[in-house]
Amino acid sequence: GAGVSQSPRYKVTKRGQDVALRCDPISGHVSLYWYRQALGQGPEFLTYFNYEAQQDKSGLPNDRFSAERPEGSISTLTIQRTEQRDSAMYRCASSPRTGGYRGGTYEQYFGPGTRLTVT
Amino acid sequence: GDSVTQMEGPVTLSEEAFLTINCTYTATGYPSLFWYVQYPGEGLQLLLKATKADDKGSNKGFEATYRKETTSFHLEKGSVQVSDSAVYFCALMRQGAQKLVFGQGTRLTINP
Repeated sequence: GAGVSQSPRYKVTKRGQDVALRCDPISGHVSLYWYRQALGQGPEFLTYFNYEAQQDKSGLPNDRFSAERPEGSISTLTIQRTEQRDSAMYRCASSPRTGGYRGGTYEQYFGPGTRLTVT
Repeated sequence: GDSVTQMEGPVTLSEEAFLTINCTYTATGYPSLFWYVQYPGEGLQLLLKATKADDKGSNKGFEATYRKETTSFHLEKGSVQVSDSAVYFCALMRQGAQKLVFGQGTRLTINP
């Protein structure tokens, strides 16, 4: 079946512009996560949703970053007034449910990412 | 806070060599531990996981054992192939938390 998709795959924008990054999770997946990955580093958590509810946004670096998932499926990560330090790979993941179950944890399935470059 | 430290790369090996990529972690309680792999041009894929002490995760010839006493989850493979060339990430998820905490990644290149 279809995996997690993200668009655009590459985005080049000028400093000060707003950008919107889209994530389409695996159909039926309840939980959706956003991560940011700087070059040469591992992904860092930004925020996550269960259905349409944003459960944790503690990883969003400042108030220029926001995310929504209005119908509990597709999610948009918006960065306002972009800065060069926002340049990174933005990764989305989805899972059937949140966290763990007896004897295991629900796998997070990652999309291909959006490479954002702010010039 | 929670953290994961991985062996620095890049690592270059010849085909059929033995592979170890070290991973240690800091976390409260008993986190679940994961290895993710990113092949060139692709997204992150779960390679294996372990959810409690002394569990061994395995997949595609790779293995890692959850060692609570040394807070480690080292990745091993007995005989690597060129197709194993990728970036490998160690990660943890604390009990009751929903986010993955990743190490910095280790780039592995296997030469024929």
